[in-house]
Amino acid sequence: EPEVTQTPSHQVTQMGQEVILRCVPISNHLYFYWYRQILGQKVEFLVSFYNNEISEKSEIFDDQFSVERPDGSNFTLKIRSTKLEDSAMYFCAVGTNTGELFFGEGSRLTVL
Amino acid sequence: AQRVTQPEKLLSVFKGAPVELKCNYSYSGSPELFWYVQYSRQRLQLLLRHISRESIKGFTADLNKGETSFHLKKPFAQEEDSAMYYCALRRYGGSQGNLIFGKGTKLSVKP
Repeated sequence: EPEVTQTPSHQVTQMGQEVILRCVPISNHLYFYWYRQILGQKVEFLVSFYNNEISEKSEIFDDQFSVERPDGSNFTLKIRSTKLEDSAMYFCAVGTNTGELFFGEGSRLTVL
Repeated sequence: AQRVTQPEKLLSVFKGAPVELKCNYSYSGSPELFWYVQYSRQRLQLLLRHISRESIKGFTADLNKGETSFHLKKPFAQEEDSAMYYCALRRYGGSQGNLIFGKGTKLSVKP
C-alpha cells in the first residue's frame, strides 16, 4: 500500500501569508491530487497533477493556489495569500493504476 | 450538476444490528461509485467500489441506477465499524482522482 506522508500536520498562519503544504515522500506514482475539507463540510476536489502538470482543477483552485513537484518526489500545494476561508484540512492523495486513491493524513490549516 | 447526498449525518446502532448507510447521487452519465471510510485518527481509505462487486469487512453496496442510489449495508454491525463513511462519485471521463464526495455519515456502533 502506498504511503502518503503530509507535512505539516497543523499550521497556523496570519491572513495574507503564504503557506506551503507538502506530500513527502512519494515514489513511483504518476497521479497526485489535493483535496480540502472545511470543518463540517464535505471533502472537495482541488486539483489533479499528472506528468508534472495540472490535468484538472476545480473552481476552488483559483490563482491563489499552485502545485508543483520541484524535486521529483515532494508534491506541494502553495496558497499565496491566505484568507480566513482557506482554513481547512488539506488532503494529498496518490492514484494507482487500479483507480484507487491513497490519502495522506491531512494538514490542518488555520488562518487567523 | 453532479452531486452526492448522504442524508444522515449520524447513524447510531447497537452491535449486531443491521446497518444501512444511505447514498444518493445525481449524475446523468455512467458514474463510478465508491465508499471511503475514515476511522478515528486515521486517513481516508477506500472501502469498496461498485465495479468490484465485492464484500469488504462484511459491507456490500449495490448500485441502483433506477433510484440513483448506492447504499452501504452490513447485516451485523461491529463496534470496530464505528467511523465516518463517505460516498463518492467519479465522473466518466473525468480525471482519475476527481471524486465528488458526500458530506459523510458518522456511524456509531454501541456495545
